[in-house]
Amino acid sequence: DVKVTQSSRYLVKRTGEKVFLECVQDMDHENMFWYRQDPGLGLRLIYFSYDVKMKEKGDIPEGYSVSREKKERFSLILESASTNQTSMYLCASSIISYEQYFGPGTRLTVT
Amino acid sequence: GENVEQHPSTLSVQEGDSAVIKCTYSDSASNYFPWYKQELGKRPQLIIDIRSNVGEKKDQRIAVTLNKTAKHFSLHITETQPEDSAVYFCAASRESGGGADGLTFGKGTHLIIQP
Repeated sequence: DVKVTQSSRYLVKRTGEKVFLECVQDMDHENMFWYRQDPGLGLRLIYFSYDVKMKEKGDIPEGYSVSREKKERFSLILESASTNQTSMYLCASSIISYEQYFGPGTRLTVT
Repeated sequence: GENVEQHPSTLSVQEGDSAVIKCTYSDSASNYFPWYKQELGKRPQLIIDIRSNVGEKKDQRIAVTLNKTAKHFSLHITETQPEDSAVYFCAASRESGGGADGLTFGKGTHLIIQP
């Protein structure tokens, strides 16, 4: 079974803090993705990556950056957390042109 | 960029009846259309997908239809059961350059199966 894990299920941070969300997949997938999920808005793509050290902006990249130093790990970085970044963050991975497998999600609260 | 509209936002059906969820997309270059099911407190999971070279696809009680000309696609669930209760998301993307782009999702449909 494909396994996508995220470093935390719940996280509480203060406004202005730098926040790291980590995602690891164990199936040697090329593609990795970060989404945020908000009630009534569905899932929105923040960033994705085709390969190590590659990154592409999604639909809502403002206020976020990413890092992919190893194929199995994709990190989402909030340089200076703000309250409007309170959300559920979902990581996903896929083999080229196949279904995306999602992690369990990190519920981030910024106070 | 791509825009995906999904209707209805909530759908309540009697157990055993059929349910239909509809989506439209804006980017004529989109060619991959998956449907995800998300149960309460769980991660989204793929239930069926269709590519633009196919008009319809079935998997047991679930089917998806695609009309490329009208840019819309639909999910059909027959003989609904209590375990079908969940939020369903449609999505669209282009598959280009040998890799899949990220997905653009609809806002979701909360399907409620009434006993």
